[in-house]
Amino acid sequence: DGGITQSPKYLFRKEGQNVTLSCEQNLNHDAMYWYRQDPGQGLRLIYYSQIVNDFQKGDIAEGYSVSREKKESFPLTVTSAQKNPTAFYLCASSRRTDTQYFGPGTRLTVL
Amino acid sequence: GQQVMQIPQYQHVQEGEDFTTYCNSSTTLSNIQWYKQRPGGHPVFLIQLVKSGEVKKQKRLTFQFGEAKKNSSLHITATQTTDVGTYFCAGPRGSSNTGKLIFGQGTTLQVKP
Repeated sequence: DGGITQSPKYLFRKEGQNVTLSCEQNLNHDAMYWYRQDPGQGLRLIYYSQIVNDFQKGDIAEGYSVSREKKESFPLTVTSAQKNPTAFYLCASSRRTDTQYFGPGTRLTVL
Repeated sequence: GQQVMQIPQYQHVQEGEDFTTYCNSSTTLSNIQWYKQRPGGHPVFLIQLVKSGEVKKQKRLTFQFGEAKKNSSLHITATQTTDVGTYFCAGPRGSSNTGKLIFGQGTTLQVKP
């Protein structure tokens, strides 16, 4: 069964804590992306990676970090430096044709 | 910087009425893509348009790409409650083929039964 998985679905974090969101794909896609979505808003790009061991900042990278050690995996860490981390986080992957396939998302709430 | 704008932001229609959302880019796009996000769900790819003036249909959905490749529209004929959700348009960022997309803010459709 091919696709993109994200875990966990819901995540609660205390202020000052770092938290890592998982994103795995078995579509053999080279490119992977992390987006943030706030209520009633569009998708804002946090980080993207076009190839293993390489990634670039998107529009709102401050307070976030990523790694791309394997083609299948692109975890996102939300650090304590992120001022307003409560949001819906979406991971996506694509081939070079630009069409992106999204995971089910992780809803992060900071308590 | 490059921008993609969508109007309207929200639309409430009675079931059976038609619906249209418009997408306008500040730059010429090599292609335009449309995604649908159901409430509580994630965006799902609907279609990609590549050619100037292209029109594609998926059942009750009609997608158009403008002649100048800077605007697009999605028209739904005779809406149903299953059409509820947010519709996003997206185009490639910049001129290089990085795979990155820039998304519009989306149009949220509510359908009253």
